[in-house]
Amino acid sequence: SQQGEEDPQALSIQEGENATMNCSYKTSINNLQWYRQNSGRGLVHLILIRSNEREKHSGRLRVTLDTSKKSSSLLITASRAADTASYFCATDASGGYNKLIFGAGTRLAVHP
Amino acid sequence: DAGVIQSPRHEVTEMGQEVTLRCKPISGHNSLFWYRQTMMRGLELLIYFNNNVPIDDSGMPEDRFSAKMPNASFSTLKIQPSEPRDSAVYFCASSPGTGVGANVLTFGAGSRLTVL
Repeated sequence: SQQGEEDPQALSIQEGENATMNCSYKTSINNLQWYRQNSGRGLVHLILIRSNEREKHSGRLRVTLDTSKKSSSLLITASRAADTASYFCATDASGGYNKLIFGAGTRLAVHP
Repeated sequence: DAGVIQSPRHEVTEMGQEVTLRCKPISGHNSLFWYRQTMMRGLELLIYFNNNVPIDDSGMPEDRFSAKMPNASFSTLKIQPSEPRDSAVYFCASSPGTGVGANVLTFGAGSRLTVL
């Protein structure tokens, strides 16, 4: 079963706009990660946020985590056509194992 | 490091045939994962290994699927016999397993399997 669920399923915006994707999960976590997948390629790690962190930045990416609501958001600022991809959140299990369970993903289309 | 290397990139086979997918993880990574991606079911974890030992194979759909990791630099996922519903992209990923970024995954490019 999937641990994380993203919304929206699809998002279409213009270049320069901000894109926000949300992720909800079900059980306690050690950390939450976001990955990007370009069409026909493998997933690429973007950013990791630990359960004791509330916000993290990396370049144009901003991730928030609310453990009380079991939710996270990924904000991409000043989007570019090259940001067109699917974005997935992934959560581990706080039981100590390293396996990640991925959500269904958000398909982002950025139009020039 | 060349990253996680998977082969073949594409495989087309007929129902009933045996399929073997191969993976070479990043050198020094202790954990290896096999995922399957389809439009209907998304990205599913099939099995993962720690230090070459299978830890959790609860995601393996049925006995037709088997995975091995004979050493730290090689793993296989085998489907025998294959069925059309096995058509998917199969990803191998590895992670350090310990320390900083212990469970940050590096994915291979995937093996696209089509079973006719």
